[in-house]
Amino acid sequence: EAQVTQNPRYLITVTGKKLTVTCSQNMNHEYMSWYRQDPGLGLRQIYYSMNVEVTDKGDVPEGYKVSRKEKRNFPLILESPSPNQTSLYFCASSGGGPRSPLHFGNGTRLTVT
Amino acid sequence: GNSVTQMEGPVTLSEEAFLTINCTYTATGYPSLFWYVQYPGEGLQLLLKATKADDKGSNKGFEATYRKETTSFHLEKGSVQVSDSAVYFCALADPLSGYSTLTFGKGTMLLVSP
Repeated sequence: EAQVTQNPRYLITVTGKKLTVTCSQNMNHEYMSWYRQDPGLGLRQIYYSMNVEVTDKGDVPEGYKVSRKEKRNFPLILESPSPNQTSLYFCASSGGGPRSPLHFGNGTRLTVT
Repeated sequence: GNSVTQMEGPVTLSEEAFLTINCTYTATGYPSLFWYVQYPGEGLQLLLKATKADDKGSNKGFEATYRKETTSFHLEKGSVQVSDSAVYFCALADPLSGYSTLTFGKGTMLLVSP
């Protein structure tokens, strides 16, 4: 089954403790992206990647890192999480950039205390 | 910069009512336009899209027409069902940014009661 898999689904952590949210897709997509969803703000793009070893900042990259060493994986790294990064995070991929349908994971709900 | 403006929700309707969710956009180029839907506890799914002026996207009884003159892409459905209850997002991809990013509206929650 074609899918984007994020882990974990829920994560509670404390300020400053490094964490990684994993994202993997099995559709051989070149384009992958991370979004955060917050009430009243909709979805905002954090980082995106057009291909392996090619990443770029989205609208809200501060406090986040990504890497794209393999085509299928696109982890989101929070080196020193802060409470304002409490949010619902989505990973997405597509075969032809955002003009093509984006396939979303089911989300990771992160709480930073 | 690019932006998408949607009507605020929630939109509350009875089953079989007519639905309109307004969406207008600002873009520097001629964008592709999309509607995505998010059901509770899930990620977003593409509902429909249109890539040029006067195109009509349609899927599952939903329709939206790309209106360049009014920079709008309103979502409509003739008869909603309880199962249509979800959050709907309008979005655009701008060719002047190389189609590398998707700009979303804030989302409109639809609640349909039996």
